[in-house]
Amino acid sequence: NAGVMQNPRHLVRRRGQEARLRCSPMKGHSHVYWYRQLPEEGLKFMVYLQKENIIDESGMPKERFSAEFPKEGPSILRIQQVVRGDSAAYFCASSQGAGHTEAFFGQGTRLTVV
Amino acid sequence: QKEVEQDPGPLSVPEGAIVSLNCTYSNSAFQYFMWYRQYSRKGPELLMYTYSSGNKEDGRFTAQVDKSSKYISLFIRDSQPSDSATYLCAMSAGSGAGSYQLTFGKGTKLSVIP
Repeated sequence: NAGVMQNPRHLVRRRGQEARLRCSPMKGHSHVYWYRQLPEEGLKFMVYLQKENIIDESGMPKERFSAEFPKEGPSILRIQQVVRGDSAAYFCASSQGAGHTEAFFGQGTRLTVV
Repeated sequence: QKEVEQDPGPLSVPEGAIVSLNCTYSNSAFQYFMWYRQYSRKGPELLMYTYSSGNKEDGRFTAQVDKSSKYISLFIRDSQPSDSATYLCAMSAGSGAGSYQLTFGKGTKLSVIP
């Protein structure tokens, strides 16, 4: 059973471009969480999704950021018109049921905005 | 005051030492307390979790929660060089708003010297 797969592992974007980060949960997992880790900072919650539904997006910036978890395919975190401050490691986690006690994290996508 | 405070270290100990890692928190709604280990450039890996107050032991690792003091600890006995990593504490509410998201400390970087 493969773990949580995130791709790409590294992504470089110029200011103003769009970044699309993908997260394939573990087999049988229908809950996905996205976190952002800024340099020298702890992980910060962004959004929690179940298949086709956003459950809690209280940590998402109001502009430029969006997330989805379609019925088929991976969860996508989309950042439009990236700025240098978006440079960070983005992690997703997945779980079979709600809650983090049985959640597994992926290896992360490191976004660099130049 | 940050919701979760964790001394970033770095902490350097000789092999075989007992390591004590700690976090304090301010949100009395937190009910789940987790410890994660994160190797460089990797995703967080759940070590242990505790619900409410008390102790939990798993091999060389012991987690303690004191809700009256809003203080949690992770002890590592007989530390090994392979324990060298960043240790993150994380917490979530038991129900209601915020129950689906983890609030992390910044992490303590541990080095175990052979």
